[in-house]
Amino acid sequence: GAVVSQHPSWVICKSGTSVKIECRSLDFQATTMFWYRQFPKQSLMLMATSNEGSKATYEQGVEKDKFLINHASLTLSTLTVTSAHPEDSSFYICSARPGLAGGPAGGELFFGEGSRLTVL
Amino acid sequence: AQSVTQPDIHITVSEGASLELRCNYSYGATPYLFWYVQSPGQGLQLLLKYFSGDTLVQGIKGFEAEFKRSQSSFNLRKPSVHWSDAAEYFCAVAPSNTGKLIFGQGTTLQVKP
Repeated sequence: GAVVSQHPSWVICKSGTSVKIECRSLDFQATTMFWYRQFPKQSLMLMATSNEGSKATYEQGVEKDKFLINHASLTLSTLTVTSAHPEDSSFYICSARPGLAGGPAGGELFFGEGSRLTVL
Repeated sequence: AQSVTQPDIHITVSEGASLELRCNYSYGATPYLFWYVQSPGQGLQLLLKYFSGDTLVQGIKGFEAEFKRSQSSFNLRKPSVHWSDAAEYFCAVAPSNTGKLIFGQGTTLQVKP
């Protein structure tokens, strides 16, 4: 099946630094990718929709200046946590759906393995 | 607003016993419905999905789910649980064609030997 890969799988950083997380679709193209955040023992919360070649669409309450999203190509989206603080520590998961804009609705989403961020 | 409720936060079953995980959704029309499984520290794997048609859906690893419109439910079942099924299970809905998913709170499944 289709594979979505995230890198790094875990990262520890100091407060105030910025961290970049990559999400790659290895064997398919996707104009749209999604970024989710998961707090410990909680559900996943959609943060933003990453659109290739255009600005990301952020969900209500998500700071776009804190969580920078760049969808540079049809196989790569990046999430940069800027000036990270301990409260940004979380498990970040991306997903992607094979296909281009206008493709079949409700197609299967493939999830990355997640990236665990710990901010000291 | 659309929402998904998984009433059971934690369930423990004996290996070989049957399993049912509950999921209720709130949405005006019939949404796309999904069940995902997450092993500790890992991403999500799709177990099964429902878009339309037969309301009993078969998935991987011996799981099935039944969509009941009258009850706004999409419960996940397995006739005989294996120790390797211990994980976190998430029910999710996609209320539109955007591909966005709304997740339930998750149910942690523990399997006793």
